[in-house]
Amino acid sequence: DVKVTQSSRYLVKRTGEKVFLECVQDMDHENMFWYRQDPGLGLRLIYFSYDVKMKEKGDIPEGYSVSREKKERFSLILESASTNQTSMYLCASSAPYLGTDTQYFGPGTRLTVL
Amino acid sequence: SQQGEEDPQALSIQEGENATMNCSYKTSINNLQWYRQNSGRGLVHLILIRSNEREKHSGRLRVTLDTSKKSSSLLITASRAADTASYFCATVFQGAQKLVFGQGTRLTINP
Repeated sequence: DVKVTQSSRYLVKRTGEKVFLECVQDMDHENMFWYRQDPGLGLRLIYFSYDVKMKEKGDIPEGYSVSREKKERFSLILESASTNQTSMYLCASSAPYLGTDTQYFGPGTRLTVL
Repeated sequence: SQQGEEDPQALSIQEGENATMNCSYKTSINNLQWYRQNSGRGLVHLILIRSNEREKHSGRLRVTLDTSKKSSSLLITASRAADTASYFCATVFQGAQKLVFGQGTRLTINP
């Protein structure tokens, strides 16, 4: 089974702090994604990556950056956390070579910014 | 917005009954997928239907796709308490590798 892990289930940070959210997948998937999920807004794509060192902006990249130095790891960075970034963050991976776009999700990180 | 829309937003039924959720989208797709999310957790892929398919089954799940109406439905038969979750449709638009998620249907199965 594909396993996608996220570094923390719950995280509390203060406004202005730099925050790192880590995601690791163990199935050699090319694609990795970061979403945030908010009530009434569904899942919104922040950034995605098709390969190591490649990144593409999603629908809401402002205030975020990403890093993909190794194929299995995709990091989401909040350079200066703000209260409006309080949210559930979900990481996912997929393998286009399988012929589907099925995404495999991690358990999520619930981030609270005070 | 290309986002799909699910209907209803919330559904509450008795255990053993069937649950039907609907999804509509706006542009041509490669495939449509359904995911389940238990409270506070990640999403789990349930089933994928390609644009050239009209119906697909997996266990107690039945998915239909009508590309002329740009809509899909997910039927869960003989519901169980463990089916309580949020269900999302996600579409892959032609020429893209990204999924676009709807806002979900919150399903509650009452014992």
